[in-house]
Amino acid sequence: KNQVEQSPQSLIILEGKNCTLQCNYTVSPFSNLRWYKQDTGRGPVSLTIMTFSENTKSNGRYTATLDADTKQSSLHITASQLSDSASYICVVSGGHGNKLVFGAGTILRVKS
Amino acid sequence: EAQVTQNPRYLITVTGKKLTVTCSQNMNHEYMSWYRQDPGLGLRQIYYSMNVEVTDKGDVPEGYKVSRKEKRNFPLILESPSPNQTSLYFCASSLSGEGSNQPQHFGDGTRLSIL
Repeated sequence: KNQVEQSPQSLIILEGKNCTLQCNYTVSPFSNLRWYKQDTGRGPVSLTIMTFSENTKSNGRYTATLDADTKQSSLHITASQLSDSASYICVVSGGHGNKLVFGAGTILRVKS
Repeated sequence: EAQVTQNPRYLITVTGKKLTVTCSQNMNHEYMSWYRQDPGLGLRQIYYSMNVEVTDKGDVPEGYKVSRKEKRNFPLILESPSPNQTSLYFCASSLSGEGSNQPQHFGDGTRLSIL
């Protein structure tokens, strides 16, 4: 079964610290992997999209990595800010029919 | 401004009373999709549309209908809402389908409560 699992479920960090969110998937065949940020009360917003051949992609203070061999991805947030408080969703495109499979998300809270 | 607009943002209604949630995008996207988001679960796809007059079921289509008469609009219809359809709903659009490398653009959600 095609699945995307994210860890941790939730995380609290101090402003200015770094953090890393994890995403493991079983989706096969693989097309691409996306990270979205979802602020409370808003729709998800795309951060990065990575294909099989890309193992790192950055968007400002957000850096996503992909290991297609182990089917793992991580999202690293550098020098966190209060505005980084949100849910971060990992999404993998693939499987038969090339569908999107969504993880349940990691809720990040950055406190001052 | 490029956006996906959903209406209403909030709705409380009663079992059995037909309702429609509208979705409109101004980016000339071919692909549109509806999702529901429930606590502890990932977004689950209800219906999607590859283009005008082309719609197909997602993972949880029971109790919902959609139509795509124009490229920009993709309304979600609940003919006879039930309490288990209480959820947060998102409409999304992208230039092409899910297998492409195009990001999806999401609306800000519609919170439905069915009593």
